[in-house]
Amino acid sequence: QVQLVQSGAEVKKPGSSVKVSCKASGGTFSSYTISWVRQAPGQGLEWMGRIIPILGIANYAQKFQGRVTITADKSTSTAYMELSSLRSEDTAVYYCASQTARCGTSCMYNWFDPWGQGTLVTVSS
Amino acid sequence: EIVLTQSPGTLSLSPGERATLSCRASQSVSSSYLAWYQQKPGQAPRLLIYGASSRATGIPDRFSGSGSGTDFTLTISRLEPEDFAVYYCQQYGSSPTTFGQGTKVEIK
Repeated sequence: QVQLVQSGAEVKKPGSSVKVSCKASGGTFSSYTISWVRQAPGQGLEWMGRIIPILGIANYAQKFQGRVTITADKSTSTAYMELSSLRSEDTAVYYCASQTARCGTSCMYNWFDPWGQGTLVTVSS
Repeated sequence: EIVLTQSPGTLSLSPGERATLSCRASQSVSSSYLAWYQQKPGQAPRLLIYGASSRATGIPDRFSGSGSGTDFTLTISRLEPEDFAVYYCQQYGSSPTTFGQGTKVEIK
């Protein structure tokens, strides 16, 4: 069973960028996708985007298009999420999570399991 | 995108009682591609149910899921002290995947 371990908390200034890492162990990194889901304080869960490490292809939620970049390094089994032009509303816990895929003419992605432990990103001047 | 509405927002119950949580979708969720998660304070969500009714590995059988189309239910047959938490539903039948806003199960 794969385990996901994320990097530590970050404090950033408005307008800057943050890059959070998610290291996978105990499985075959290239065989699944890694998504990023965020949770603002006291709020619900919001999917941001995913990467398919074996293909190096990422897709993003429309809300974050142009501001988020998700990458993966197969040599270290690590995925990264970089969010730019940070504002106070981006203060949240950012989770990585694994999904399996079901593919026909195109691929759709299943439930999230497992999850990383979360990384708190605080945006404050 | 599919909007998931969970009800009630908060459920106040005692240990040993039965909990029934609802998740209603704004349009039909194809092939019952719906999951449920439990989240405790300071922790990541934990998968409970996928495919609307299949329990994830290691999940006790007091948790059960049902439903299809636009109406789904998570039932906890007898609440244990460790079950007091927030529960989220997620649809993965249509892109983008979306979550409900959560139901908090609190101790009465």
